[in-house]
Parts: sequence; structure tokens; C-alpha cells
Amino acid sequence: RKEVEQDPGPFNVPEGATVAFNCTYSNSASQSFFWYRQDCRKEPKLLMSVYSSGNEDGRFTAQLNRASQYISLLIRDSKLSDSATYLCVVNMRGSARQLTFGSGTQLTVLP
Amino acid sequence: GAGVSQSPSNKVTEKGKDVELRCDPISGHTALYWYRQSLGQGLEFLIYFQGNSAPDKSGLPSDRFSAERTGGSVSTLTIQRTQQEDSAVYLCASSLVADYNYGYTFGSGTRLTVV
Repeated sequence: RKEVEQDPGPFNVPEGATVAFNCTYSNSASQSFFWYRQDCRKEPKLLMSVYSSGNEDGRFTAQLNRASQYISLLIRDSKLSDSATYLCVVNMRGSARQLTFGSGTQLTVLP
Repeated sequence: GAGVSQSPSNKVTEKGKDVELRCDPISGHTALYWYRQSLGQGLEFLIYFQGNSAPDKSGLPSDRFSAERTGGSVSTLTIQRTQQEDSAVYLCASSLVADYNYGYTFGSGTRLTVV
């Protein structure tokens, strides 16, 4: 079983749609959670951290369920510019500063 | 510098040759990481440096891979006797240790092609 598993995708949605990505992680001791965005042939960039209480940043909402070891990202009113690969990222080693990346879910927003 | 700088941006090498990849982290960032990403795959952790502590090399795939970080700043990843399966994008990232909850800042990577 992979340490971080994501929806395989790809997701192709029309502009304005709402889309949700899911992610599960295997290590219950994980402490920090993030969503990164990676554009084609570019480096990953931090999209948002994920907090236990859930958090929102504009059209993006992230949620964490520690009991189920599950993370989600919701994108509302999707834009063409949201097209990218979304990486679920987890700190798997407690106090060590290493992040484990999921293989990503590809999103294409269609006009 | 303003961001994480990696060089070269692209490298084509013949199988069996050695290559060196360079990373210059954000000034003041004490933590430095190397990852690699194969085509269509997620990021694979290679090695982690934190200040003067011994590096965590647990992700290095074989003894052909090594890395150094001189003076707590610039890092070099060396791959000896390259193989075709080493072809990937090698990404370097840095972070402020105390602020790792804000994630890493990645460089734009070195695309290595072994022919």
C-alpha cells in the first residue's frame, strides 16, 4: 500500500464546476498535511496547508479527517487556470522534516 | 537569492558517465531536500540536510547516488555510472526548519536524460 494515495484522475470538468479530490495516508502519526499544485513541466508549489478544523482559501477548501486518515480538496467555480496536477502531501515521519508526496491527480478545466 | 536555484536545467548524458547536479537554496533556509520525479510519477524522496546534522540518506536508491552540502548552503547531488533508469527530473527544495508547516520551496529542477 502506498503511503499517500490519491484519486487516479484525470478529472475533466467544465468551467464553473465544483470538483473534489480525495487522498488517504497510511501513517496515523502523520502531523502535517498540504496540497501542492504542479503545472505541466514545472516544479510543485504549495497551494495550501490542511488544518484539523478545515480551512478555506478563496475558492479552495481543504479538510482533514484524522480518524479516517483522509484529506480532501474542494475547488468551487473552477477556472481554466486551475488546470494542473494536485499533489496530496503528508509529513510521514513525525518530528523529521520530510514530506511524502502522492502521485497527484490531474485536473483539466474545459472552456 | 529570491528562490531555489538549480543547475543545469537540462542534462543529457551517456550511460555510465557521472553527473553532478547543483542546488542553491533560499538564503537562510537551513533545511534542504532532494527529490526526483520520473515521468508521470510522484516525487520520490532522496536525501535531507538539516544544518550541521548528519544527512538523512534513507531515500537514495543505490550507492551510485551521493550528495553533499557545503557550508550549510549549496548542495551537489552526484550520480555515478548513470543508468537509463536514472532519467528523471531532480528537484531540490529548501525550508525554514521552524516553519516547515508552510511547506517547501522547490527549484525548477534538473531534467536528466541518460542515453
